[in-house]
Amino acid sequence: SQELEQSPQSLIVQEGKNLTINCTSSKTLYGLYWYKQKYGEGLIFLMMLQKGGEEKSHEKITAKLDEKKQQSSLHITASQPSHAGIYLCGYAGGTSYGKLTFGQGTILTVHP
Amino acid sequence: GAGVSQTPSNKVTEKGKYVELRCDPISGHTALYWYRQSLGQGPEFLIYFQGTGAADDSGLPNDRFFAVRPEGSVSTLKIQRTERGDSAVYLCASSLNTHRADTQYFGPGTRLTVL
Repeated sequence: SQELEQSPQSLIVQEGKNLTINCTSSKTLYGLYWYKQKYGEGLIFLMMLQKGGEEKSHEKITAKLDEKKQQSSLHITASQPSHAGIYLCGYAGGTSYGKLTFGQGTILTVHP
Repeated sequence: GAGVSQTPSNKVTEKGKYVELRCDPISGHTALYWYRQSLGQGPEFLIYFQGTGAADDSGLPNDRFFAVRPEGSVSTLKIQRTERGDSAVYLCASSLNTHRADTQYFGPGTRLTVL
């Protein structure tokens, strides 16, 4: 079955630094979601990408889906402590459109 | 309510007991999903409903797990004869429909601990 690999697994940065999280699939992605999760809480929707080359931004977070639709990157500019959490990519596809399959997550720590 | 709500927020039970976890989706959302998240992992799909019917229950680990959504709104996940390995955070999500572009909005989860 198609799986998502996220890298890095964890990331520690100083406040103000830029960072990138990657999400790679072995197959074509037809709908790629990015969520953020605070420890012990539910998932907060960030962005959804569908088209190859598509790029979306929300505040200081930008996500892009590559042309071949097999990799997505999430970039945070001038990180802040409020960006800390677990970032999860997920795809919807296969025969069951409603089912999301997630990567293992990237734990982001931002030191003030 | 404004978002997906789940009750209880925490549940501690003993091995062998029966538990029910409740999910109240966003009003008007026809699709409802259950996921399970173990520590250090991404959420794993369990089952989803379109209306009252289970459209895909391929993620339920065994027949001890069962979910219902009798009126197409609130859903209950039921676990019989709980085992220690069932300990996890159970997440519920809802979406307007089940198209690929329909965003799933998640609740805060129920943390289940089986002693």
